Amino acid sequence: ETGVTQSPTHLIKTRGQQVTLRCSSQSGHNTVSWYQQALGQGPQFIFQYYREEENGRGNFPPRFSGLQFPNYSSELNVNALELDDSALYLCASSLIGLGGELFFGEGSRLTVL
Amino acid sequence: DAKTTQPNSMESNEEEPVHLPCNHSTISGTDYIHWYRQLPSQGPEYVIHGLTSNVNNRMASLAIAEDRKSSTLILHRATLRDAAVYYCILRDRGKAAGNKLTFGGGTRVLVKP
Repeated sequence: ETGVTQSPTHLIKTRGQQVTLRCSSQSGHNTVSWYQQALGQGPQFIFQYYREEENGRGNFPPRFSGLQFPNYSSELNVNALELDDSALYLCASSLIGLGGELFFGEGSRLTVL
Repeated sequence: DAKTTQPNSMESNEEEPVHLPCNHSTISGTDYIHWYRQLPSQGPEYVIHGLTSNVNNRMASLAIAEDRKSSTLILHRATLRDAAVYYCILRDRGKAAGNKLTFGGGTRVLVKP
């Protein structure tokens, strides 16, 4: 039990639609990061938020966006869904700057048809 | 990002030790060595991390070569629950790096009863 919860656990969308995934971070953690994990591969860093602002981004297009809220919750939004966006989306929370562990949720599995 | 190289898979018998190697010949002086594991249908889970000295915790031990170009994660007595994909990750300890983890393909560990 990491204290990080994600919703929904599974969802199906069609190409061109938009999706919002939600994450509730562990209390007290000031940083949330999101990862995309395609089947059979390791997670890929999408971006991270620190004090409600984007603070680092991986190689993902602008249609991937996010929000972080003062109550430690966050959202990942993906517009204009493509088939290749089908993946497990993982949220991780931590305290920035300490070099310590990240706490991951169990993920939201998105299928795009 | 500095790259790590791990074997694709390893097998072990239950209650025997498992030694998981990782090569990171391009490691920089500011990189920590982190290990995470991912059990089936779960998000990654922190295992251990170190900088220069060997480290022990309740889950595992981390042996770091003197030149820091390689490391070995040691599971002292494998259980069926240890069957997972193990990721060796280099993480910049600078604050600006935030919480970006660069995952490779990892090592899939199979534990036989």
